[in-house]
Amino acid sequence: NAGVTQTPKFQVLKTGQSMTLQCAQDMNHEYMSWYRQDPGMGLRLIHYSVGAGITDQGEVPNGYNVSRSTTEDFPLRLLSAAPSQTSVYFCASSYGRADEQYFGPGTRLTVT
Amino acid sequence: GIQVEQSPPDLILQEGANSTLRCNFSDSVNNLQWFHQNPWGQLINLFYIPSGTKQNGRLSATTVATERYSLLYISSSQTTDSGVYFCAVEDDMRFGAGTRLTVKP
Repeated sequence: NAGVTQTPKFQVLKTGQSMTLQCAQDMNHEYMSWYRQDPGMGLRLIHYSVGAGITDQGEVPNGYNVSRSTTEDFPLRLLSAAPSQTSVYFCASSYGRADEQYFGPGTRLTVT
Repeated sequence: GIQVEQSPPDLILQEGANSTLRCNFSDSVNNLQWFHQNPWGQLINLFYIPSGTKQNGRLSATTVATERYSLLYISSSQTTDSGVYFCAVEDDMRFGAGTRLTVKP
C-alpha cells in the first residue's frame, strides 16, 4: 500500500513552459485535491475532485488545470508556467471531502 | 472566507516539556484537522476533530466549536516532535500559517 505518490520530486521550468505534476493513490479514495505551499505559509487549495469525472476550483485555481479520468489518478497541469508558480505542491486524498486527509510527499517546482 | 489564526508562531522547548498550540477560526466549522509537517516536508494527519477531545499517545486535541477554537497539547516533548503544526478547517481545508516547534535535547 503506497498511499499517495507524487512525481516528480523536483522540477525546474522556464517561464512559459508547460508540464504535468502526477498524483496517484491506492486507497480507493473518492476525494483528491491539490495544494500549494509558499514559504512561511500554510497550504492553499488549488483544485479538488469528489470522484472520477468531477473536478472543481479551490482558493487559487488560476494557471492550473486538472482532470480525473480514474479514481486513482489526479494530475495537475501548468499551462504556461510563471515565476509566481514557484512553490511546493502537495496532493492529498481522503474517502470524502470532510474526512481525514492523507498527503503525498510533495513536488518542489521552480520557475525561472 | 473563513479566517484561521494559529498561535504562537514559534515555540522553542527543552525535551520533556509540555506545550499547548492554539487554532482560532472566524466562523463555525464542520471539519477541523491538525497536521504535523516534519523537517523533511512530509505532512502527517494528527487529528480529525471538529468537536470534542481526542488523544493519541503524548498528543491530544480539543475543539470547542461554539467558541471557535481548537487546542493541540504535546506532553513530554521529544526532538522528533520538531516541525510545523498546522490546523485546517472546513471542507476546502483553509490552513492557518502554522506554529513552528523546535524541541532541543
